[in-house]
Amino acid sequence: QVQLVQSGAEVKKPGASVKVSCKASGYAFTNYYIHWVRQAPGQGLEWMGIIDPSGGGSSYEQKFQGRVTMTRDTSTSTVSMELSSLRSDDTAVYYCARGLSGTYSGDAFDVWGQGPMVTVSS
Amino acid sequence: EIVLTQSPGTLSLSPGERATLSCRASRSLSSSYLAWYQQKPGQAPRLLIYGTSTRATGIPDRFSGSGSGPDFTLTISRLEPEDFAVYYCQQYGSSPQTFGQGTKVEIK
Repeated sequence: QVQLVQSGAEVKKPGASVKVSCKASGYAFTNYYIHWVRQAPGQGLEWMGIIDPSGGGSSYEQKFQGRVTMTRDTSTSTVSMELSSLRSDDTAVYYCARGLSGTYSGDAFDVWGQGPMVTVSS
Repeated sequence: EIVLTQSPGTLSLSPGERATLSCRASRSLSSSYLAWYQQKPGQAPRLLIYGTSTRATGIPDRFSGSGSGPDFTLTISRLEPEDFAVYYCQQYGSSPQTFGQGTKVEIK
């Protein structure tokens, strides 16, 4: 079945970096864009950016520019999101999600990873 | 960016009742690129509706979406016990795509 399986929970200190992976299976990996969405505890959803698994191109929400990097490995059907210079307000669940329609500028998300918790604490 | 405001914040209803959830955009959406998600505690969001009114695969027909311009609605015709959850709207026609703050549908 179509699924996105993410890496596990992380605990990081302020100023550190975290890398979250997202392995796709059950569909043609390079045919669908992958988005990253985060959710702080008890809060709503926040879009972070998008990566094209085919060409590797990416685009990030302005507030994360300079701190986030999204990459892909076609040999393992895996995309990754690295967030640097972590702060306490980066504590959140980080989801990868598949774009439904293949529109780079924006899309609904039909398949979601399980979302590991990233905790930033000294 | 477009701000989506959902109302009410919490909806207290009984199983079998009709639920009407609202999502208002800070400016008119130029397209029908509005989606709705359901989220239960400890789970990832689940896509219910996209393109304002198209049900996602496997979504029962008691869920329906409508609207245009700045005002959109998710209707659950008859609440089932598994429908009590938080619902989010999302616009994806204008960059950056944004989400509403959510409406919690709780058992009365």
